[in-house]
Amino acid sequence: DAKTTQPPSMDCAEGRAANLPCNHSTISGNEYVYWYRQIHSQGPQYIIHGLKNNETNEMASLIITEDRKSSTLILPHATLRDTAVYYCIVRESTNAGKSTFGDGTTLTVKP
Amino acid sequence: NAGVTQTPKFQVLKTGQSMTLQCAQDMNHEYMSWYRQDPGMGLRLIHYSVGAGITDQGEVPNGYNVSRSTTEDFPLRLLSAAPSQTSVYFCASTKQGFRSEAFFGQGTRLTVV
Repeated sequence: DAKTTQPPSMDCAEGRAANLPCNHSTISGNEYVYWYRQIHSQGPQYIIHGLKNNETNEMASLIITEDRKSSTLILPHATLRDTAVYYCIVRESTNAGKSTFGDGTTLTVKP
Repeated sequence: NAGVTQTPKFQVLKTGQSMTLQCAQDMNHEYMSWYRQDPGMGLRLIHYSVGAGITDQGEVPNGYNVSRSTTEDFPLRLLSAAPSQTSVYFCASTKQGFRSEAFFGQGTRLTVV
């Protein structure tokens, strides 16, 4: 699986959009980008994933660059409950059990 | 559905003791994985399984054994506990396919003294 690079920490004001970047310059054609978050050392929770098109669900939006070497997770209206560690991973379709997590980005939403 | 259930939630071991961390899922997922998370760090893959009877090593397999005799269960065995194995352990299950996400248990906090 390709390696990802994320900033260690970011701050965001409550109510504003949080934009979390992820670099995955060695991603291969059959690897998907997944985002998870971990709140207070609970088990990580799935947020969203994509291959090459932008994706949106009730939690967030995922923007993947055309060359697929980077992506951005967008939380459109961050709340204090969005304070968490956010992980970006890339994963082959045939290796669902072998996801590799990095250290993630600690997002702190401030009032 | 209970999802992914890990037991126990907390455990204290003495150095050299052995124990088994239990993980069970009721979603009929093919893939299961074990991760450890040290303080302030991300998750590191210990072992994973692509189905009953099939397991493989992850990034940090030393000191741990696994087996997968059924689809539902994926126990993690610590052979001889060491203080370096003090960590939070997470089990995850994933349905086969490229569009599926991992479901995680709530973790087992292990302290080895």
